[in-house]
Amino acid sequence: RKEVEQDPGPFNVPEGATVAFNCTYSNSASQSFFWYRQDCRKEPKLLMSVYSSGNEDGRFTAQLNRASQYISLLIRDSKLSDSATYLCVVIVDTGRRALTFGSGTRLQVQP
Amino acid sequence: EPEVTQTPSHQVTQMGQEVILRCVPISNHLYFYWYRQILGQKVEFLVSFYNNEISEKSEIFDDQFSVERPDGSNFTLKIRSTKLEDSAMYFCASRGGQETQYFGPGTRLLVL
Repeated sequence: RKEVEQDPGPFNVPEGATVAFNCTYSNSASQSFFWYRQDCRKEPKLLMSVYSSGNEDGRFTAQLNRASQYISLLIRDSKLSDSATYLCVVIVDTGRRALTFGSGTRLQVQP
Repeated sequence: EPEVTQTPSHQVTQMGQEVILRCVPISNHLYFYWYRQILGQKVEFLVSFYNNEISEKSEIFDDQFSVERPDGSNFTLKIRSTKLEDSAMYFCASRGGQETQYFGPGTRLLVL
């Protein structure tokens, strides 16, 4: 089983739409959770951390369900500039702090 | 805003040659990482480095790979004898006391 699993997409949505991405992780001892964004041939950039209580940053809302080992990202009012690959990222080993990446979900926002 | 820089942006090399990829982490960061991303695949952890030594490495990071912090600013990844399958984007990352890792723009390595 993959450590971090995501639907690869692509998700093709019109501008203004709301879109949700899901991610599951296999290691119940995972400690920290993030969503990163990656544009084509660019480096991953942190979008937001994910907390058990859920957190929101403008149009973006992230949720964590530890019992189901499930993370979600909701994007409201999609913009053309949101088109990218969204990477679900987990820290499994708190000592090493290395990031474990999912394969990413590709989003294409269309005019 | 401080950022991680990497050089070169692109490197083409022949199989069997040595390559050195360079990174300048954010200046007050203490933890350094190398990741790689083969085209079309996910980002994979290679190695972490703290206090002038490797703190953890993945199964990918075999004897062909080495890392070094030769001075107070640079952090390098050396591949001793490149293979075709080493072709990938190599990202350096650094962090301070918080969890957030900041990534450099990457070096695209092509082994022919």
